[in-house]
Amino acid sequence: AQSVTQLGSHVSVSEGALVLLRCNYSSSVPPYLFWYVQYPNQGLQLLLKYTTGATLVKGINGFEAEFKKSETSFHLTKPSAHMSDAAEYFCAVSEGRDDKIIFGKGTRLHILP
Amino acid sequence: GAVVSQHPSRVICKSGTSVKIECRSLDFQATTMFWYRQFPKQSLMLMATSNEGSKATYEQGVEKDKFLINHASLTLSTLTVTSAHPEDSSFYICSARRTGMNTEAFFGQGTRLTVV
Repeated sequence: AQSVTQLGSHVSVSEGALVLLRCNYSSSVPPYLFWYVQYPNQGLQLLLKYTTGATLVKGINGFEAEFKKSETSFHLTKPSAHMSDAAEYFCAVSEGRDDKIIFGKGTRLHILP
Repeated sequence: GAVVSQHPSRVICKSGTSVKIECRSLDFQATTMFWYRQFPKQSLMLMATSNEGSKATYEQGVEKDKFLINHASLTLSTLTVTSAHPEDSSFYICSARRTGMNTEAFFGQGTRLTVV
């Protein structure tokens, strides 16, 4: 069965600094990988996804992630943090187009002024 | 983008009563919908996979008789929390995937259930 591990339940970065949120996955087949963002008391918004093809994926709000099969990782980055990036971020994995999506425990990103 | 509407956004009910939560895909068809539960400051726990026209598939540890799921059409799935208790208080989120297309799931805005 697939699983996701997010390192660091809380990450703090200064405004303008690099954002790096770590995600490692486990899957028995080539995975589909996702990053979602959640603001307080709201649903989830897709930031980006990897299915096949290019391993560097660009998403909304300046975020991107790179699929590294050898490291079973899908880390999320953003070159310059903005105050509005403060939220909960979830990495997720799916083993197929119609398969269920399994989430990591989430990482709360704090932006320091 | 595709829109998933979840209703109600907040509900307070008395212990022992039942509560129904609706999840609708507004502009696409969804053969499969998923129901998640989220405890405060925690991740989303998959409760069940809702399949249109057939029985839902529940994850291990989720009580089928307590959390009734009905997926009567390609655009609507409902979750009914029966005989609710305070420990059922939580944030419930549904998601839907387009039938036969795309790999991402679109999420509803969630329902905050409080059982008093």
